[in-house]
Amino acid sequence: GAGVSQTPSNKVTEKGKYVELRCDPISGHTALYWYRQSLGQGPEFLIYFQGTGAADDSGLPNDRFFAVRPEGSVSTLKIQRTERGDSAVYLCASSLGSIRNTEAFFGQGTRLTVV
Amino acid sequence: KNEVEQSPQNLTAQEGEFITINCSYSVGISALHWLQQHPGGGIVSLFMLSSGKKKHGRLIATINIQEKHSSLHITASHPRDSAVYICAVTTNTGNQFYFGTGTSLTVIP
Repeated sequence: GAGVSQTPSNKVTEKGKYVELRCDPISGHTALYWYRQSLGQGPEFLIYFQGTGAADDSGLPNDRFFAVRPEGSVSTLKIQRTERGDSAVYLCASSLGSIRNTEAFFGQGTRLTVV
Repeated sequence: KNEVEQSPQNLTAQEGEFITINCSYSVGISALHWLQQHPGGGIVSLFMLSSGKKKHGRLIATINIQEKHSSLHITASHPRDSAVYICAVTTNTGNQFYFGTGTSLTVIP
């Protein structure tokens, strides 16, 4: 596609359930980022992939959160045993190279609500 | 203390007014980005700059590296400019954005 695509756009799940959020980056973009944005807050860094590997996962809040990018394109953010505090908009971004010197493109986000 | 500070936090303007949003940062940067986020929408990149000034339509972004300050200007504001404007920086060593808290702009017809 032309831009970064995230699915689903909205997800409501019960506390304790497992969820997967998907990000399709722009074709050819090697760098992929996941951010989390709570209501009224700025985005919070979760994880950064360069190719297939997680180059920086220091933002993942705990071991319930995990992300993969097995073929260096699509990425899935996985959240186990969801909690109400996980409710937020999860944003994905991709860039052709490092965001230190190339533009990043963001998806529309997945709004996760844990009830 | 947040690495990136924005002001004002909220801004209401009449259609046609000239608008300025300010951003100050405390870290060494490789680039500064101005982003736009509409309610319920994703984030759109407006500018990426590391020096000087850039212009796109009615939007102008400037940066002063020595003063660690950037401004986003909107000329002849329009209600469709209503959105949250976010300043974000990238550093020379890291691989993530440091985001400001955003400025919520409302332009009234």
